[in-house]
Order: sequence, then structure tokens, then C-alpha cells
Amino acid sequence: AQSVAQPEDQVNVAEGNPLTVKCTYSVSGNPYLFWYVQYPNRGLQFLLKYITGDNLVKGSYGFEAEFNKSQTSFHLKKPSALVSDSALYFCAVRDMWAGSSNTGKLIFGQGTTLQVKP
Amino acid sequence: DGGITQSPKYLFRKEGQNVTLSCEQNLNHDAMYWYRQDPGQGLRLIYYSQIVNDFQKGDIAEGYSVSREKKESFPLTVTSAQKNPTAFYLCASSVTVTGTEAFFGQGTRLTVV
Repeated sequence: AQSVAQPEDQVNVAEGNPLTVKCTYSVSGNPYLFWYVQYPNRGLQFLLKYITGDNLVKGSYGFEAEFNKSQTSFHLKKPSALVSDSALYFCAVRDMWAGSSNTGKLIFGQGTTLQVKP
Repeated sequence: DGGITQSPKYLFRKEGQNVTLSCEQNLNHDAMYWYRQDPGQGLRLIYYSQIVNDFQKGDIAEGYSVSREKKESFPLTVTSAQKNPTAFYLCASSVTVTGTEAFFGQGTRLTVV
């Protein structure tokens, strides 16, 4: 079955330090992978996506993510965290295998709360 | 100003009532989605629509209904059969149901009183 796992409920990091938010996935076919950010009582904002090509994807607000096919991971990273990065982060996957009943549907992880302290 | 508009932002429902959440997009997207968000459970798919006059059940469709009579509109009705409707509801759209990212509205918080 298709799934996304975000193993950490919360990540704490000091401002100016690098941050990593982890995501692993399981799909039948080729994955299309996405990261979103959510601020309190707001909708989700798109950060970046991996469809094909370079394994390192750059997105909005200085975020990037590394696709690792062998480890089925798509970790979100930022070289230097800001207090304003504190929010809830979601990883999502689309399974593009034509035989899957979930073809095209976005499947989300549980979310990881990022707390950046001054 | 392009985007997805959800209304109302806050909605209160009495026991046994049906309520309808509005979702309108002017992005000319074919695909639209409804998700439910509960604390600690991430987003769960209620219904999605790939094209006008077509929609499919998601993972938690029981107690909900939708229609897609117009490309830009995908209203969600929370019926009295939904036993625990208090949640944050998010509508999204994408160019198609495959490949591209989805864009989200600002959400509707539904509370049963």
C-alpha cells in the first residue's frame, strides 16, 4: 500500500543551524514527491517537488530536498534555520503506477512540527 | 487575483444538521480535492474530482457528499451521518490529478455545538 512516513513529530533546532525534516515513502511505481508548510489555522503552502531529474531539488524560502531512491527517502533541508521557519511541515507523494488504485492521489504524511529557537 | 477560496472560515453545526462548505477556484484546474485535518493525524482524503461531473471517494468518504457541476466549484456537504465532524477542512486543486502540485485554500474550521 502507498504510504508516507514522517518519523519525527517535532524537530527542534537553533536559529542559524542547519535543519532536516525526514520523510520516507512507499509506492508501487515512480513517486512524485512534494513538501508543504502549514502555519497555524492556514492552508498548506507548496515548497518544492521532485518529479524526475536531479536528486537535489531547490524550492521556496531557501529550502531544498534530497531524493534518495535506494532509501525511499525525500528529506527536507535548509542550511540555516530562521525563527520564522517554525511551522508544521508535510511530505506528500503521488504514486504514478497505472495499476495502482491510488494513481494520481496525493498521500500525506502525519506532519512534523519544526521549532526554531532564537 | 488567482487562487482557491474556501468559505466560511468558521462554521458551527448543530447535531443532526447538514452543512455545506464552499470551495471555488479560478485557476482553471481540472482536479479538485477535499481533505480533513485532525490534530496528529495529518491530512486524510475525503473526495476528489478529476474533471467536471466526475468524482471519486477518498479514504474517509462516509458521511460526506460532493458535487462537481462546474469546473471552478467543488462544494462539500457534511451530513448528519458523519458522527465526528469537528475538524479543519481543506480544499485543494491541481492542473490535473497527476504530476503537478496541488494548491490549497485557507481552510474551514467546522465545530459541532
